[in-house]
Amino acid sequence: DTAVSQTPKYLVTQMGNDKSIKCEQNLGHDTMYWYKQDSKKFLKIMFSYNNKELIINETVPNRFSPKSPDKAHLNLHINSLELGDSAVYFCASSGLAGGRSYEQYFGPGTRLTVT
Amino acid sequence: QKEVEQDPGPLSVPEGAIVSLNCTYSNSAFQYFMWYRQYSRKGPELLMYTYSSGNKEDGRFTAQVDKSSKYISLFIRDSQPSDSATYLCAMSGTDKLIFGTGTRLQVFP
Repeated sequence: DTAVSQTPKYLVTQMGNDKSIKCEQNLGHDTMYWYKQDSKKFLKIMFSYNNKELIINETVPNRFSPKSPDKAHLNLHINSLELGDSAVYFCASSGLAGGRSYEQYFGPGTRLTVT
Repeated sequence: QKEVEQDPGPLSVPEGAIVSLNCTYSNSAFQYFMWYRQYSRKGPELLMYTYSSGNKEDGRFTAQVDKSSKYISLFIRDSQPSDSATYLCAMSGTDKLIFGTGTRLQVFP
């Protein structure tokens, strides 16, 4: 049974389009995250929500807007897509927040390609 | 300078070898130190974590943290082809995880 799932798995789109990625976790965790992994495998946090409240908002262009309708779901909407947005986006969840959130469960990733 | 530095590799070793993976960091506030393993086209999965300094062993894997040198290591004994993956170190202080860039490991039969 999938713990953290993301849709879609692959997303190919043109510059200027708007797209959304969805994430769901069935682990009962309170904290969810969005990460971006670039072509060199560097994994960087973008946002974190704890019980539907935004707690981490890194220096990310405001074209990226997360939304958490409930604590099991965290979606990411991206406006006006740019070539530099091409990356793998991972959703993750953890049972603890802050520095103790060491055990994070990651989804399979969404590979976004902007042409 | 990045907060966490990790040699990207790739590291290629024969089956049965002992592998040493390392990270250095600059933030003395880090308290939790983790190693994640990421297979190709998959999400990272937690392999081991250590709180503060010291060693931790789990089967063929040993994690070491030396806070005085700001240096962490992961040792893999009797490496297997199934260990072929990218290994990401990660650490945290009071809020978020900071990841290293990952070391790609290839274990050949």
